[in-house]
This record gives sequence, structure tokens and C-alpha cells, in this order.
Amino acid sequence: DAGVIQSPRHEVTEMGQEVTLRCKPISGHDYLFWYRQTMMRGLELLIYFNNNVPIDDSGMPEDRFSAKMPNASFSTLKIQPSEPRDSAVYFCASMSGELFFGEGSRLTVL
Amino acid sequence: GQNIDQPTEMTATEGAIVQINCTYQTSGFNGLFWYQQHAGEAPTFLSYNVLDGLEEKGRFSSFLSRSKGYSYLLLKELQMKDSASYLCASLNDYKLSFGAGTTVTVRA
Repeated sequence: DAGVIQSPRHEVTEMGQEVTLRCKPISGHDYLFWYRQTMMRGLELLIYFNNNVPIDDSGMPEDRFSAKMPNASFSTLKIQPSEPRDSAVYFCASMSGELFFGEGSRLTVL
Repeated sequence: GQNIDQPTEMTATEGAIVQINCTYQTSGFNGLFWYQQHAGEAPTFLSYNVLDGLEEKGRFSSFLSRSKGYSYLLLKELQMKDSASYLCASLNDYKLSFGAGTTVTVRA
């Protein structure tokens, strides 16, 4: 298996623009997590899904953030509109017993 | 979050042993993970404990006490490449939350 695949790996955008981050989990994993990592706040859980259903989105910072999982092999995290304070590395991870991380998407909002 | 506490930094000499302690909330506890993260990279899995006791895997071992809400990661025969951040993560009600990480610096 290729592991958890995220895209884009890097994105630089301007404040106010829409950002969409994508994730393909490992086949057969029934849990999918979205995390955000910054130096100041460490790894923060944003939202997680079980069998494509959102279970807990209490970590989503505000209404500008939304996440979907239309099927077992794809999830998106959308920020609209983006702000400079959203700059971070966003990790997707999938789990079936053991949690595997993708390589992350480094977002810079100018 | 799940109030996961671990030391911020530790420094040790090459060849030595270091123990990283972690405390977590016991409510809804499903398991305890340890991850290693090098700067600029994704976290990588080290260990998973769900039962009390010590799990040994090469130079790395992890211990769990469910009743005390306590775990530790033991790194033996330290090598320079072990310099990294070590993250304790608690699975509670199938929600996985991470501690702030312990930065381990290995000196020659």
C-alpha cells in the first residue's frame, strides 16, 4: 500500500482565498483524522471520521473550516476564506489499530 | 484536549538511556501511542499499548499503567539519529489526542 496520500504538499495563497486539502487514506482503514500542527500549539485534532461519518468536529477552529468524506477513499479539508493564522502543516491520518500519517500539507497564507 | 502531559525537553549522551514520561486522562481510555517526529517530517509510529506492562521493540520500549494513567517511552543505546520530538498520544472514546511532544537531543 502507498500509505496515506495528501495533496498538495505545499501551498502558498493569499488571505481570503479558498484552500482545499485532499487526503486518500489507507485502504481498509475505518478511521480518518485531520490534524493541524504549529510550533505554538503542537498537533491539534480538527475532526475525525469513522466509516465516512464525522464523529467529532469540536476541534475545527471556526465556520471557515469544513471537512468532508464522501467515500472511504477520499476526504477534503476546506478553508474559506483563508487567513494568515491558518498557516500550518495539516496532517491527515488513517487508522485501523495503528495510526498512519500522511506527509502533510504545508499551508502558508500571506 | 485530553490533558496529556509530557516533559518539554530532554538531553542525553550517545549510548545512554532516556525515559520520557507521559500522563493522560483515563476516562474512555482505549490505548496509548508513542510517535517519533523529526523536524519537517510526519510523525512515525513507535508503539501502541492497551494492556498494562512493558512492550519491548528493539532499542525502544513502552510501558503502560492504566490505573495510574501513566506511560513511559524508554530509549536505550541512544544514537545521534534519535534526536527528535517524541509524541505521546492517548486514544479516548476513539478520539486520538497528542501531547505537546518531548524534544530529545542526543549529544556526542
